[in-house]
Amino acid sequence: AQSVAQPEDQVNVAEGNPLTVKCTYSVSGNPYLFWYVQYPNRGLQFLLKYITGDNLVKGSYGFEAEFNKSQTSFHLKKPSALVSDSALYFCAVRDEGSSNTGKLIFGQGTTLQVKP
Amino acid sequence: NAGVTQTPKFRILKIGQSMTLQCTQDMNHNYMYWYRQDPGMGLKLIYYSVGAGITDKGEVPNGYNVSRSTTEDFPLRLELAAPSQTSVYFCASTRQGGSAKNIQYFGAGTRLSVL
Repeated sequence: AQSVAQPEDQVNVAEGNPLTVKCTYSVSGNPYLFWYVQYPNRGLQFLLKYITGDNLVKGSYGFEAEFNKSQTSFHLKKPSALVSDSALYFCAVRDEGSSNTGKLIFGQGTTLQVKP
Repeated sequence: NAGVTQTPKFRILKIGQSMTLQCTQDMNHNYMYWYRQDPGMGLKLIYYSVGAGITDKGEVPNGYNVSRSTTEDFPLRLELAAPSQTSVYFCASTRQGGSAKNIQYFGAGTRLSVL
């Protein structure tokens, strides 16, 4: 069965340091992968996606993600964290049986805490 | 520039009451979705729609109903509210094709408490 896992409930990093938020997936075909961010009391906002092509995907707010097919991972990264990056981050994969419905399967979310 | 609009933002219901959560989008998206978000559980799909007049169940549909009479609107109905339906509800939409395909756009959410 297809699934998405975010192994860390929380990631803590100091401002200015690089950050990584981990995501692994399980699908039988080629994955469509997404990262979203949720700030307190707000809806989810799209950060970036991987469909095909270059394994390093660049997105909004200086974030990027690296697709690794052999490790079935799609980790979110940023070279230098900001306090304002503190939020809840969701990884998602397109439901394989849903090419005509756009349904996504979301991970449980990782809270990123950036300390000054 | 509205995007996806949800009303109300907050609501407290008594057990057994009913209510409708409103969702409207102005992006002419065919696909719309309702999720619930519980702490530490991520987002669970309740219902979705691929166009006006077409709806289908998601992962957790029990206790909910939807309708889609227009492209813009996708209301979610709770008929007999139960404490287990205390959650934050999000509506989302996406387009069928193009470069933005499968990118879901979310409303700000409705925080519902059933007491």
